[in-house]
Amino acid sequence: AQSVTQLGSHVSVSEGALVLLRCNYSSSVPPYLFWYVQYPNQGLQLLLKYTSAATLVKGINGFEAEFKKSETSFHLTKPSAHMSDAAEYFCAVSPNYGGATNKLIFGTGTLLAVQP
Amino acid sequence: DSGVTQTPKHLITATGQRVTLRCSPRSGDLSVYWYQQSLDQGLQFLIQYYNGEERAKGNILERFSAQQFPDLHSELNLSSLELGDSALYFCASSNPERGPISYNEQFFGPGTRLTVL
Repeated sequence: AQSVTQLGSHVSVSEGALVLLRCNYSSSVPPYLFWYVQYPNQGLQLLLKYTSAATLVKGINGFEAEFKKSETSFHLTKPSAHMSDAAEYFCAVSPNYGGATNKLIFGTGTLLAVQP
Repeated sequence: DSGVTQTPKHLITATGQRVTLRCSPRSGDLSVYWYQQSLDQGLQFLIQYYNGEERAKGNILERFSAQQFPDLHSELNLSSLELGDSALYFCASSNPERGPISYNEQFFGPGTRLTVL
């Protein structure tokens, strides 16, 4: 069964500092991987996705993630945090076999706080 | 704005009652997914419909059911409600016919917050 593990339920950084949110996946086949962001009282917005094209994926708002098969990781980074980045971030995995369903399996989320 | 709409935005009801949540997918999207977000269970996949037919089931209780109509909108029915059913319910849509790159990209609605008292 596929799953993702997000290390750190809460991460706090200073404005301008590097953001690093960790995600490790478990999958018997190469998966599709995603990062979603959820702002307070809002739905989920896709930040970026890995679909086996390039291992370094660039997303919106300056975020990027690198797929590392050897480490089964898909960590999310941003060089310089902004106050508006404060939100909850979810890593998700989906089957990659062109099958009947592409349901998303989510991690437990990481709440990012940005200090002035 | 993702293009996915959900109504109502908030719903407060009592234990034992039945409610219906509605979702309209993005124009042209054939797949609709329902997810539940709660403090206890996190974000969980409930069920998927594709062009009117059930495609996959996740951790959906027997008290819950869903359907997708010919116009592709979907409804999630929750019955015999319990306190533990209080959660944010999200609908998402996608269209695998748009090609492999966007095959798994799901667009989420703003959610319906259900409170069971």
